[in-house]
Amino acid sequence: DSGVTQTPKHLITATGQRVTLRCSPRSGDLSVYWYQQSLDQGLQFLIQYYNGEERAKGNILERFSAQQFPDLHSELNLSSLELGDSALYFCASSPWGRGSDEKLFFGSGTQLSVL
Amino acid sequence: AQKITQTQPGMFVQEKEAVTLDCTYDTSDPSYGLFWYKQPSSGEMIFLIYQGSYDQQNATEGRYSLNFQKARKSANLVISASQLGDSAMYFCAMREGLYSGAGSYQLTFGKGTKLSVIP
Repeated sequence: DSGVTQTPKHLITATGQRVTLRCSPRSGDLSVYWYQQSLDQGLQFLIQYYNGEERAKGNILERFSAQQFPDLHSELNLSSLELGDSALYFCASSPWGRGSDEKLFFGSGTQLSVL
Repeated sequence: AQKITQTQPGMFVQEKEAVTLDCTYDTSDPSYGLFWYKQPSSGEMIFLIYQGSYDQQNATEGRYSLNFQKARKSANLVISASQLGDSAMYFCAMREGLYSGAGSYQLTFGKGTKLSVIP
């Protein structure tokens, strides 16, 4: 158990809908990352937060947004969903979000299916 | 150009044998870190081993070791004495700009290698 909690584990929705994925980082970790894993694109970095502030942005679509709250949990909001958004969405956390050997601890992911 | 290349989509190894999973990387940054993660069929991503670009010795973690050849830009994962539970996807990843602070903090992943351990 990595200590990173993601809910829900599975989500089935329809095109055009909006969903929210939730992540609780490991105790003490200040940085949260979101990744998308699909068969064709592999693991793609979406966005990183550190202590409530956005730190880095990757291949995140404009339809997607995220935030990190004062209690350090994070939410990833996906709107106007398309079939191609079906993927496994991972949240990861690390203590500081930088550092020579800082490894990321991943949650078990949220499997999103858009029908 | 891909930053992380894993050329073996799938591999088989006999139980108790050693296996090497290949990873090459591309960066012009002198400061970087290399990571290996394991993803079993249950889906979670499990950290295995880390190697920093300035580390003089190859990293080892139990049955896992990293064959780091900086000049060749390769960071191969060696699993000794394979076990049935080692059957999984294995991902190589890199983080750049570690010391300069100017790089992004994301991990860039390769496409992965699916390892199957045969009894």
